[in-house]
Amino acid sequence: DVKVTQSSRYLVKRTGEKVFLECVQDMDHENMFWYRQDPGLGLRLIYFSYDVKMKEKGDIPEGYSVSREKKERFSLILESASTNQTSMYLCASRTTQGYRQPQHFGDGTRLSIL
Amino acid sequence: DQQVKQNSPSLSVQEGRISILNCDYTNSMFDYFLWYKKYPAEGPTFLISISSIKDKNEDGRFTVFLNKSAKHLSLHIVPSQPGDSAVYFCAASASSGNTGKLIFGQGTTLQVKP
Repeated sequence: DVKVTQSSRYLVKRTGEKVFLECVQDMDHENMFWYRQDPGLGLRLIYFSYDVKMKEKGDIPEGYSVSREKKERFSLILESASTNQTSMYLCASRTTQGYRQPQHFGDGTRLSIL
Repeated sequence: DQQVKQNSPSLSVQEGRISILNCDYTNSMFDYFLWYKKYPAEGPTFLISISSIKDKNEDGRFTVFLNKSAKHLSLHIVPSQPGDSAVYFCAASASSGNTGKLIFGQGTTLQVKP
């Protein structure tokens, strides 16, 4: 079974802080993704990574950056946290081997910015 | 601009009956569609998918139907069980680029009553 692990289930930070959310997958997947989930808006893609050291902006990248120095780890960085970044953050990974493989998700980090 | 829409925020059905969850999309480039199920405090889990070359895909109690001309897909659960109570997200992707990037709907909360 694919295991996607997010470092924290719950996190509380203050406005203006730099926040790091970590995600690790154990299946040697090439692709990794960061989403945020908000009520009534579904899952929205923040950033994704094709492979190590590669990254692309998703639909809502403003205020975020990412880092992928190793294949198994994909970090989401909130450069200067703001209250509108309070949300559930979900990481996912996917293999490119085989046709149309689904994404596999971690359990999420509920982040509150005060 | 919401490219994937789930217009029903919630659905309630009786145990043993059929649950039908609907999803509409606007982008004609989408050619692969997925359904995910999400329990509270867990990440979404992949349920079933369908390629645009098919109009139906079945997996046990779950069947997905695709109507390309109407840009509409639906998930049927028969028979519904209380353990099916969860939030269901439909998602779509386009094969161009094979990035695995998904566009998600807003989600429908299904409640199956015993």
